Amino acid sequence: KAGVTQTPRYLIKTRGQQVTLSCSPISGHRSVSWYQQTPGQGLQFLFEYFSETQRNKGNFPGRFSGRQFSNSRSEMNVSTLELGDSALYLCASSLVGDGGNEQFFGPGTRLTVL
Amino acid sequence: GQNIDQPTEMTATEGAIVQINCTYQTSGFNGLFWYQQHAGEAPTFLSYNVLDGLEEKGRFSSFLSRSKGYSYLLLKELQMKDSASYLCAVWDYGQNFVFGPGTRLSVLP
Repeated sequence: KAGVTQTPRYLIKTRGQQVTLSCSPISGHRSVSWYQQTPGQGLQFLFEYFSETQRNKGNFPGRFSGRQFSNSRSEMNVSTLELGDSALYLCASSLVGDGGNEQFFGPGTRLTVL
Repeated sequence: GQNIDQPTEMTATEGAIVQINCTYQTSGFNGLFWYQQHAGEAPTFLSYNVLDGLEEKGRFSSFLSRSKGYSYLLLKELQMKDSASYLCAVWDYGQNFVFGPGTRLSVLP
């Protein structure tokens, strides 16, 4: 069974630009969560999607948005990039995302904002 | 509010036993997870506790006390490859997964 895949693996952008990251969950998994990981803040929850609906949202500004498609693939968008957005962005999938199922993480997309 | 605490760093010797503690305060609780993350890699699942007590899985065991808001991960017969960060995470109904800051474990020969 293929694992969670994320594209691209690395990105370099400049301040003010926007970026779209993609995540393909494990086949059959319907919940996709997104996290931001930085050395100072650790892993922070961005949002979770289930059946194309955003079910939970963390404390991030509206510049961070996402969506999920009918095949459970998910995208995350960050607009008007700031230097502080430089981080590793991880997505994780689980069967139904009810907390009783473990999350499987993708390799992440490392975003550098210059 | 939510708060999860773990020691920042720990060091242990190959072959030894190490216990990594995690304390939490969350508005809701539906389980506690431990993840291992090697440098530059994604976190991988280690264990899940939802009821009080000890869950054993090979060299790894995890304990939970819900009344105390406390968990620990026990690693036995440490190997060099166990050098990694260990993340404690709570499933909070209101906020999805809440992760602790992680404990960086260094295993020395």
